[in-house]
Order: sequence, then C-alpha cells, then structure tokens
Amino acid sequence: QQQVKQSPQSLIVQKGGISIINCAYENTAFDYFPWYQQFPGKGPALLIAIRPDVSEKKEGRFTISFNKSAKQFSLHIMDSQPGDSATYFCAASSFRSSNTGKLIFGQGTTLQVKP
Amino acid sequence: EAGVVQSPRYKIIEKKQPVAFWCNPISGHNTLYWYLQNLGQGPELLIRYENEEAVDDSQLPKDRFSAERLKGVDSTLKIQPAELGDSAVYLCASSLGRGARSPDTQYFGPGTRLTVL
Repeated sequence: QQQVKQSPQSLIVQKGGISIINCAYENTAFDYFPWYQQFPGKGPALLIAIRPDVSEKKEGRFTISFNKSAKQFSLHIMDSQPGDSATYFCAASSFRSSNTGKLIFGQGTTLQVKP
Repeated sequence: EAGVVQSPRYKIIEKKQPVAFWCNPISGHNTLYWYLQNLGQGPELLIRYENEEAVDDSQLPKDRFSAERLKGVDSTLKIQPAELGDSAVYLCASSLGRGARSPDTQYFGPGTRLTVL
C-alpha cells in the first residue's frame, strides 16, 4: 500500500516531442505528489509538485495531470529538449500524517531526448 | 546559498570495514533525511531527524547502521561492518521542518557513492 509504481522504465523522445511518465499509488492518505529530476552524479531536484485538490498544474513546459479517483498522476514534458535527458522520479507523501516528509519514490524513468 | 553538502563523494572499501558519511544541511533547515539509492531505483528513506531527534528510523538496519545529528545541524551516517550489498549511493536531504505551512520541499545533496569490494 506504500508503493508508488512508475512507468515506463525508460523513454526515448525526439527533440520537440512530448514526454509522458505515469505513476500510480494505492495509499489514499497521500496528499502531496512531487516529481524529481536527477542528472548523473547529482542528487534529485524538485521539478514540480501537486496537491490532490487540483487536477492539473503547469510550470513552463512541465505539467502534472492528477486523477484522484484512479489514483494516478503523470508528468508531461512539452517540447522536450536534449537538456531534459535525465532520470525522473515521481513520489508521494502524506503531508498531514505523523509521517510528514516521508517521500515514497517510484522506480524512476530514464528519459533520453534525441536531437 | 549553499545547498546540501555531502562528503566524501566517493568511497571504496573492503567488506567488513567501517565507513562514515557526513552531511551538512541547508542553513536553517530543521529536518534532515538520509536516503539509500540503489542503482536504477528511487531513493528509500533510512532515517529522518527533526532537529537532533530521530523521528523515523524504521528502515535503518540497526545491526550495522547508525546515525547521529549532534546539535541538530550536521549529521553522520555510519556502517560497521560494511557488506557487499551496501554498495549504493547514500543521499542526504534537508527541509525546513515541522511548522512549515505547506508540504516541505526536500533538497538533496549530491550523494556519496559507496563501493564495497
């Protein structure tokens, strides 16, 4: 019930295309869903996050779509660029519970954007 | 502003040897986390500190792993003795902590890559 399942494991997209990464969760107590971006040799860095009171959040070329009833959320990268090539992790946590701050990460998606 | 600082960045040791990792969080951040990241996997929480108190260490293998955060700032994670399966990246993260009015963004350091031979 604590798992966050992420797919696909790897993704190759042409420059200018749309990259889509999907995540699913089971624990209905989760109320905070961040996406992290990680480059080789670096730690993960927060990219964008959403709370379940909205169905979509957009920041520049990055959009999170959230489906509360299906317990799924996804990251869309519009106009993908070679500089977006990295590993992306979805995560979930329960902000209001006693375990505030415990992020449960998905398995990661390695994105390669071809020039 | 400096980010989360970790050292060393790389460590190679023989099995059964001890090893220690050090983390300096972002100034003013009360919460500190240690994560384990295996190759091709997402980070997994080992221990979380609120100031100097370990509030979640349920995933820390206490037979060989220990951690401390004296004075509620820097933290050290130790493994003694190390096993082959401990080869991984050990990430430290920090956040503002309890009392934050919105979900607490965690800021990660670059990690320490441990290789146990």
